[in-house]
Amino acid sequence: GNSVTQMEGPVTLSEEAFLTINCTYTATGYPSLFWYVQYPGEGLQLLLKATKADDKGSNKGFEATYRKETTSFHLEKGSVQVSDSAVYFCALSGVRRASGGSYIPTFGRGTSLIVHP
Amino acid sequence: DTGVSQNPRHKITKRGQNVTFRCDPISEHNRLYWYRQTLGQGPEFLTYFQNEAQLEKSRLLSDRFSAERPKGSFSTLEIQRTEQGDSAMYLCASSLSPTTGSNSNQPQHFGDGTRLSIL
Repeated sequence: GNSVTQMEGPVTLSEEAFLTINCTYTATGYPSLFWYVQYPGEGLQLLLKATKADDKGSNKGFEATYRKETTSFHLEKGSVQVSDSAVYFCALSGVRRASGGSYIPTFGRGTSLIVHP
Repeated sequence: DTGVSQNPRHKITKRGQNVTFRCDPISEHNRLYWYRQTLGQGPEFLTYFQNEAQLEKSRLLSDRFSAERPKGSFSTLEIQRTEQGDSAMYLCASSLSPTTGSNSNQPQHFGDGTRLSIL
């Protein structure tokens, strides 16, 4: 079945440091890939997406490139802020099976990011 | 776009009781998903609807769990005879259907969840 593996947290950085959160996946077919962010006490919010190989998703200074050859979708940001402290989830979309039905999304366990002033 | 709304935000109940949660999706979204999230984990898929049809159910979903979306708008998730292990955050999300020519999901919009605590 499909799976998503994220680096374990927490990741602790100083403000303005460079961020990388690794994500690798296994999937049948050609899923879309997503990064979601969850702030304390809130639901998940879409951060960025990529729908096919070599696509780069970007938003709010975050970027991730869909690498089919390495089955990876690593999240990066050049200069983090205290306000970026949150839990980040890598996810892949469900993919329709040839037999017709499944669109079950799969999420990683999440990586907590803590940014200190 | 008022976002996905879930009620209640918190539910505390005794083991063995039945509970029901409600989710109101974004109005134009025809797909609605239920997930369970425990501490330190990502969302685990439970079930999803396309309009009023329930298309997939996870093997995690025991027969004590039932979900409905009777008119293709709001949805309810009921847990009967609750157990300690049911304590979790229950998340609802909605999305549009895949675009024409695509076979993968559109991004999902999540509610803030209902936290269930079983005493």
